[in-house]
Amino acid sequence: EPEVTQTPSHQVTQMGQEVILRCVPISNHLYFYWYRQILGQKVEFLVSFYNNEISEKSEIFDDQFSVERPDGSNFTLKIRSTKLEDSAMYFCASSGTGETGELFFGEGSRLTVL
Amino acid sequence: QKEVEQNSGPLSVPEGAIASLNCTYSDRGSQSFFWYRQYSGKSPELIMSIYSNGDKEDGRFTAQLNKASQYVSLLIRDSQPSDSATYLCAVKGNAGNMLTFGGGTRLMVKP
Repeated sequence: EPEVTQTPSHQVTQMGQEVILRCVPISNHLYFYWYRQILGQKVEFLVSFYNNEISEKSEIFDDQFSVERPDGSNFTLKIRSTKLEDSAMYFCASSGTGETGELFFGEGSRLTVL
Repeated sequence: QKEVEQNSGPLSVPEGAIASLNCTYSDRGSQSFFWYRQYSGKSPELIMSIYSNGDKEDGRFTAQLNKASQYVSLLIRDSQPSDSATYLCAVKGNAGNMLTFGGGTRLMVKP
């Protein structure tokens, strides 16, 4: 069964460092998303990406964040200068046509900022 | 601000019983509704989607939608200990593709 894959599964970094989280969406999907979940809290939307550009972003997705689809398969989330409050599980998701809205999530990348 | 509300639980049911999980949402223009299951430390897993008023059944799961009351529910029949997890309600509005998630209801099925 096709799945969304994410790397790394866990990353520990020092405050102020840059982090790149990587995702390979399901191959025939067209819409890509990043969500995050701080421990014990809700799953929160960060950004959606379609046709090689950002289609929506939340207030959380400020200038410290960026996304990129550098090739035909990878979808990355970069955090330029990490803060303690960026510690969370980051989930990549993808969907097909977007009309049904069914999102399929990867296993997540746990980011710990020290 | 679009809100999706769920009782955090825990909801405890005995094995074999029916578990009933509820969700309300604030955006009256919402079009699509989803239930995800999330085991501790894992990612959300899609269980059901529902788009029109009424019931939708898939195996032991039934999703119910009432747009007039802005209410979505999930029934799990013949609950099993393996159903113990947090169940997330998610809603898609009428513009864009992002989902807004509720805080989840923790379900505990006791053997």
